[in-house]
Amino acid sequence: KAGVTQTPRYLIKTRGQQVTLSCSPISGHRSVSWYQQTPGQGLQFLFEYFSETQRNKGNFPGRFSGRQFSNSRSEMNVSTLELGDSALYLCASSLDLEYEQYFGPGTRLTVT
Amino acid sequence: GDSVTQMEGPVTLSEEAFLTINCTYTATGYPSLFWYVQYPGEGLQLLLKATKADDKGSNKGFEATYRKETTSFHLEKGSVQVSDSAVYFCALTSSNSGYALNFGKGTSLLVTP
Repeated sequence: KAGVTQTPRYLIKTRGQQVTLSCSPISGHRSVSWYQQTPGQGLQFLFEYFSETQRNKGNFPGRFSGRQFSNSRSEMNVSTLELGDSALYLCASSLDLEYEQYFGPGTRLTVT
Repeated sequence: GDSVTQMEGPVTLSEEAFLTINCTYTATGYPSLFWYVQYPGEGLQLLLKATKADDKGSNKGFEATYRKETTSFHLEKGSVQVSDSAVYFCALTSSNSGYALNFGKGTSLLVTP
């Protein structure tokens, strides 16, 4: 069974721009979560989607948003990029809540 | 709120040495506990998990026991290999946080030949 895939793997953007990251979950998994990893803050939860609905949200500003499609694929969007948004963005999928989450390789975003 | 504390790294060991990485947690209710591993340039891999007190998770020679009395989930391996060099993250989920993973800061392990 294929794992979680994320595209693109690397991205360089300029301050003020916006970016969209994509995640395809493991087949059959309907829950998709997003995490941000930075050296300073570590791994932080962004949001979780299930059946196209956001069920849970972390403590991030409204510039961070996401959505999920009917095939469970998910995208996250960051608008008005700031230097501090430079991070590894990780997507994880699971069957549902209370099940273990499996991570993709991440998208490395650099904001200049 | 829930939190996870794990020992600071980096930890440097010789091949075949015994490994312990300490992890303690604070949570109300009954969290599930996890260890994830991250190799350079990669995402996180689930190493092992435990969902209730006294459960022992194990995988690839690594073990961790869910100790509710000491709120701990220490990771151990009897004989490390160079290929075990990575960053290890302890994490928990609970109904309090909608089952979002709450991670410790990670412990970097370097195993030398």
